[in-house]
Amino acid sequence: QQPVQSPQAVILREGEDAVINCSSSKALYSVHWYRQKHGEAPVFLMILLKGGEQKGHEKISASFNEKKQQSSLYLTASQLSYSGTYFCGTEMFGNEKLTFGTGTRLTIIP
Amino acid sequence: DTGVSQDPRHKITKRGQNVTFRCDPISEHNRLYWYRQTLGQGPEFLTYFQNEAQLEKSRLLSDRFSAERPKGSFSTLEIQRTEQGDSAMYLCASSYRTGRDEQFFGPGTRLTVL
Repeated sequence: QQPVQSPQAVILREGEDAVINCSSSKALYSVHWYRQKHGEAPVFLMILLKGGEQKGHEKISASFNEKKQQSSLYLTASQLSYSGTYFCGTEMFGNEKLTFGTGTRLTIIP
Repeated sequence: DTGVSQDPRHKITKRGQNVTFRCDPISEHNRLYWYRQTLGQGPEFLTYFQNEAQLEKSRLLSDRFSAERPKGSFSTLEIQRTEQGDSAMYLCASSYRTGRDEQFFGPGTRLTVL
C-alpha cells in the first residue's frame, strides 16, 4: 500500500518553515525520508522506528505517530539547498522493503 | 569514490531486445535493492538481496525481469524482450545490514525503449 504524502507541492521563501506529511493505511514498523534533486539519486535524511528511535541528520527533525501511522518532516528556516522532491518510504511489520510515496515537491525562492 | 555505482548510466534499446544493468554497492554493505522510477513518481521496489540471497521480488515484476548477486558483491538486473513500458530510471541502493539501515542510492541507469 503506497503511503500518501501531503502537500504534493509547496513553494517557500528562504527562511520559512514547512511540514511534509506521510500517511499509511497499514501498521508501520519504520518510516524513512529521502530528498531527491532533479536528475540525481535520492539522498537519505531520516529513519524513524517504532518505539521512538530515530537516525538521521541533526538539522532535520521528524515525528512518527505510531497510533495514526503518520510521519511528519519538519523543515525550519529553509535554505535554497532544501529544494527538491521529498519522499517518505514506509516499512510494514515483517517486510523489510520500502514502499515510497508519490513525493512532495519543495521549491525555495530567494 | 566509495559510493554505489551503476553501469551504464544510459541505455537506449529497441523493443524486443534484452538489456543488462550492473550495480556495485558500497563494499561492506550486505543489502542490495533494485528500484524503478518513472517521472513524477517515487522509487518502486523491484527486488532485494541479503548477500547473495534474493529475499523478495515484487509481484508487479514480470518474468521478463531477473536479478542476481552471485557472490554477494555486485548485482545485475536483466530485462528480456524489452517493451516501451519498461522505459524508466533503474536505481540500485545498498544498506549495511538490515532494512532499518539507511539506503545509499546509486546514480541510476536510464533506460529508453524505442
